[in-house]
Amino acid sequence: AQSVTQPDIHITVSEGASLELRCNYSYGATPYLFWYVQSPGQGLQLLLKYFSGDTLVQGIKGFEAEFKRSQSSFNLRKPSVHWSDAAEYFCAVDGNEKLTFGTGTRLTIIP
Amino acid sequence: DTAVSQTPKYLVTQMGNDKSIKCEQNLGHDTMYWYKQDSKKFLKIMFSYNNKELIINETVPNRFSPKSPDKAHLNLHINSLELGDSAVYFCASSRESGEQFFGPGTRLTVL
Repeated sequence: AQSVTQPDIHITVSEGASLELRCNYSYGATPYLFWYVQSPGQGLQLLLKYFSGDTLVQGIKGFEAEFKRSQSSFNLRKPSVHWSDAAEYFCAVDGNEKLTFGTGTRLTIIP
Repeated sequence: DTAVSQTPKYLVTQMGNDKSIKCEQNLGHDTMYWYKQDSKKFLKIMFSYNNKELIINETVPNRFSPKSPDKAHLNLHINSLELGDSAVYFCASSRESGEQFFGPGTRLTVL
């Protein structure tokens, strides 16, 4: 069965600092991987996705993620966070026509 | 312009009542989904429909009945509402597999 682990429940970062959110997945084949962001009271917005090819994928809002098969990871990064990045971030794996989400990481930005 | 829309946005009701949530997508996608997000922000798939046919039914109580009158609509009817049904329900749609587009969510509160 597929699964996703986001080990960090809550991360606090200073505005302008770099960010890395961790995601590990479990799936038998090469998965489709996604990062979604959910702002308070809002729906989910896709930040980026990995299907195949280049393992470093660029997304919206300056985010990027790197697929590392050897580590079963798909960590999300941003070189310099903005106050508007405060939100809940979800990693997800698509296998067997089903999207399985991690438990999310809440990002707080401090001035 | 709205890609995936849901109505209502908020729903407050008494235990034991029956209620419906409607979802429409104008993206021309073949597959639609219902997710439940609990108070801890955990997102879990409930149902998936492809071309009006039920594909995924994830151990959801049979008080929940999805109905897809056509490819663009997937409604969720809930009978005999219970306190534990309080959550945010998200509709989503996609092409056969891959990126899913989410609606804004319906916050259901059962009193």
